[in-house]
Amino acid sequence: GAVVSQHPSWVICKSGTSVKIECRSLDFQATTMFWYRQFPKQSLMLMATSNEGSKATYEQGVEKDKFLINHASLTLSTLTVTSAHPEDSSFYICSATGTSGKGTYEQYFGPGTRLTVT
Amino acid sequence: GDSVTQMEGPVTLSEEAFLTINCTYTATGYPSLFWYVQYPGEGLQLLLKATKADDKGSNKGFEATYRKETTSFHLEKGSVQVSDSAVYFCALRPTSGTYKYIFGTGTRLKVLA
Repeated sequence: GAVVSQHPSWVICKSGTSVKIECRSLDFQATTMFWYRQFPKQSLMLMATSNEGSKATYEQGVEKDKFLINHASLTLSTLTVTSAHPEDSSFYICSATGTSGKGTYEQYFGPGTRLTVT
Repeated sequence: GDSVTQMEGPVTLSEEAFLTINCTYTATGYPSLFWYVQYPGEGLQLLLKATKADDKGSNKGFEATYRKETTSFHLEKGSVQVSDSAVYFCALRPTSGTYKYIFGTGTRLKVLA
């Protein structure tokens, strides 16, 4: 299957700082990428959908000024958590999908990034 | 709207026991159906999928059949192993015009030696 990577796999930051998480599709062109948040022992909550070259579409209740998403190329999307607070601590997972060739139509998930805000 | 309902966990089984995790869905048309597995501290891995009615997805001894008449996609395995301990998510991708998935709440499986 298609491969999606995330970096870093875990990060600890201080309250008030910003942290950037990268999501890359390694062997296909990802026209659409998704960002999820997962709380302990819970399901995935879709935060936003990003299409390459366009502004991200955020789900209801997700603060777009806090969770900045950029999808500048067909292989890279970034999620920046701005002015992080302890309640932003969570497991963030990205996924990617393409519209032709490898990676078509299915979501391929990254391994996740654990963010801890102290 | 579209939705996925999974059986509540946790499910605790002895090694070599038979596993069933129920999943039912509500959707218009013919969604694609998926089972994902999440091991501790990791992301989701696609376990199996089915894209049309009566399709059977299978992988690593796990099976699920797309049942349109009962709107179900139950996950089964004949003999579980300790290494199958994980959280299992049922998901659907709606028929029309979106790549968004709708996930169930997940079912935690614990297999005891």
